[in-house]
Amino acid sequence: EDKVVQSPLSLVVHEGDTVTLNCSYEVTNFRSLLWYKQEKKAPTFLFMLTSSGIEKKSGRLSSILDKKELFSILNITATQTGDSAIYLCAAQAAGNKLTFGGGTRVLVKP
Amino acid sequence: NAGVMQNPRHLVRRRGQEARLRCSPMKGHSHVYWYRQLPEEGLKFMVYLQKENIIDESGMPKERFSAEFPKEGPSILRIQQVVRGDSAAYFCASSQTGTGVASSTDTQYFGPGTRLTVL
Repeated sequence: EDKVVQSPLSLVVHEGDTVTLNCSYEVTNFRSLLWYKQEKKAPTFLFMLTSSGIEKKSGRLSSILDKKELFSILNITATQTGDSAIYLCAAQAAGNKLTFGGGTRVLVKP
Repeated sequence: NAGVMQNPRHLVRRRGQEARLRCSPMKGHSHVYWYRQLPEEGLKFMVYLQKENIIDESGMPKERFSAEFPKEGPSILRIQQVVRGDSAAYFCASSQTGTGVASSTDTQYFGPGTRLTVL
């Protein structure tokens, strides 16, 4: 059965700190790894990663994929209170089905 | 609003009633996916549809649940004879393509969800 595990479950940081979120996966016919940010409503798309070792960046967020070790990390630098959310990692298999991890809840305190 | 639309946002049903959840994909998207998020759990895939076709329903419960995506109109997730265990947030996502080869156009964008409460 396909499985995605995220760690830590939750963390609390202060503004300006850097956070690193982890995602490991075991998925048959893996195609890509996606990161989403979920606040009170819709999960918002952040990144799609398909190749190992190529970092994707968007502002203070960056992510990288290791297809050999089957994991990805999401980094947030210079955190702000608006970064408080649940961060979801999902593995996409052939056939487009997404298998989600349980999420990491991030709380950024002022 | 060019995003994925879902309605209603909140739905309350009594045990035994039917629930109908609607999803309008983003403009230009013809692939729709339904996911369920039970309390304190992650999102779980239910079904993947294209216009008038069910592509993958491997995550759908065998009974009481059905989904459609007609030629015209929104996709509908229908739950018959609801039970308390059906209480959850139901999210719809859409993508432009469904190539399955990690194309960026396969990226799934999510709607705000429908929170179903069964009394």
